[in-house]
Amino acid sequence: GQQLNQSPQSMFIQEGEDVSMNCTSSSIFNTWLWYKQDPGEGPVLLIALYKAGELTSNGRLTAQFGTTRKDSFLNISASIPSDVGIYFCAGRAYMEYGNKLVFGAGTILRVKS
Amino acid sequence: DTEVTQTPKHLVMGMTNKKSLKCEQHMGHRAMYWYKQKAKKPPELMFVYSYEKLSINESVPSRFSPECPNSSLLNLHLHALQPEDSALYLCASSRRDRLYNEQFFGPGTRLTVL
Repeated sequence: GQQLNQSPQSMFIQEGEDVSMNCTSSSIFNTWLWYKQDPGEGPVLLIALYKAGELTSNGRLTAQFGTTRKDSFLNISASIPSDVGIYFCAGRAYMEYGNKLVFGAGTILRVKS
Repeated sequence: DTEVTQTPKHLVMGMTNKKSLKCEQHMGHRAMYWYKQKAKKPPELMFVYSYEKLSINESVPSRFSPECPNSSLLNLHLHALQPEDSALYLCASSRRDRLYNEQFFGPGTRLTVL
């Protein structure tokens, strides 16, 4: 079954809007990562988080490692057309999954026409 | 040099062919990974090499055979594949101080099996 629940599954954005997505799990994670993937390309690492409560920014992107260590969110402020793509959360929960990263199912960002 | 490169970009092969995918990084990373990705799905881990030794094999069929000739190179040898093996094959690597954590992906090889 899905080890990471990522939501929303998809969303439409209008240029200038703020966007929010999150990942939750029943397991405790040691690391949270956020990736973006454009069509036909490999995922690109956006933000890496290593401590509970950690809040990290990368330009217009902000991500947080939840204090319970079971969730993380990603915010995109003032979205622009090139933000469209698929965003994946990924995490490492060593006690449960060893040295594997587990991935969320992805959030597809599309532009409102 | 801050990237993972993969060749070829596209590959079409028949079910009786033998081919190889190649991945290279010159960042001094000491873990390298192969993933398989179907359209609009997350990457699925296949193999992990850590310090040039195979450390994880996710019960991948033997028609996929990985090889790590040195710390910069990773190959995936393909033989007698099935049409359902058609997918984007991604290579990734991680630094020694972030082993198994931050993974940097290449652009992938789009494989079609006829």
